[in-house]
Amino acid sequence: DGGITQSPKYLFRKEGQNVTLSCEQNLNHDAMYWYRQDPGQGLRLIYYSQIVNDFQKGDIAEGYSVSREKKESFPLTVTSAQKNPTAFYLCASSRAGGWEQYFGPGTRLTVT
Amino acid sequence: GDSVTQMEGPVTLSEEAFLTINCTYTATGYPSLFWYVQYPGEGLQLLLKATKADDKGSNKGFEATYRKETTSFHLEKGSVQVSDSAVYFCALSEETSYDKVIFGPGTSLSVIP
Repeated sequence: DGGITQSPKYLFRKEGQNVTLSCEQNLNHDAMYWYRQDPGQGLRLIYYSQIVNDFQKGDIAEGYSVSREKKESFPLTVTSAQKNPTAFYLCASSRAGGWEQYFGPGTRLTVT
Repeated sequence: GDSVTQMEGPVTLSEEAFLTINCTYTATGYPSLFWYVQYPGEGLQLLLKATKADDKGSNKGFEATYRKETTSFHLEKGSVQVSDSAVYFCALSEETSYDKVIFGPGTSLSVIP
């Protein structure tokens, strides 16, 4: 089955530690995205990538970093510089050119 | 910049009631419009879409019509079920940057038996 996988589903970290969230897709999509969702709120775009080895900042990129070394993979690192990292993180992918986005199941990150 | 506005939630309906969730957008060109649904603890799923004015998207009994004159894309369903309880997001894909999607804040729907 084609789709997007995110792991782990739940992640707990101590304040001051960097953490990397995994996102893999086997849909052969060119574009990939990371969103943050806080309780009762919509989605905010962190980073997106339209092609391998290239990515752009979204609306809330500060404190986050990404890489796109392979078409299938778009990992997100939440650094210690992110002031409020506790949130639900969603990864998505799409074909190039305005097609719908396909979402993974999400990773709930809790930092204490 | 482009934006999407949705009606405030939460919305609570009895089973078999009629559903309308309002969505309006601001865009300079001719965006594509989408409705996504998110069930508790899950990612979003595309519910329906429309790519040009007067297009009607439909799926699972839900419908929405792209109204350019009123810049709206309201979601409707004639008879909701308990299983429709979820958060619904209206979204647009910018004409100038088709790979970037702007989401509305979401509207939570609870359907009670």
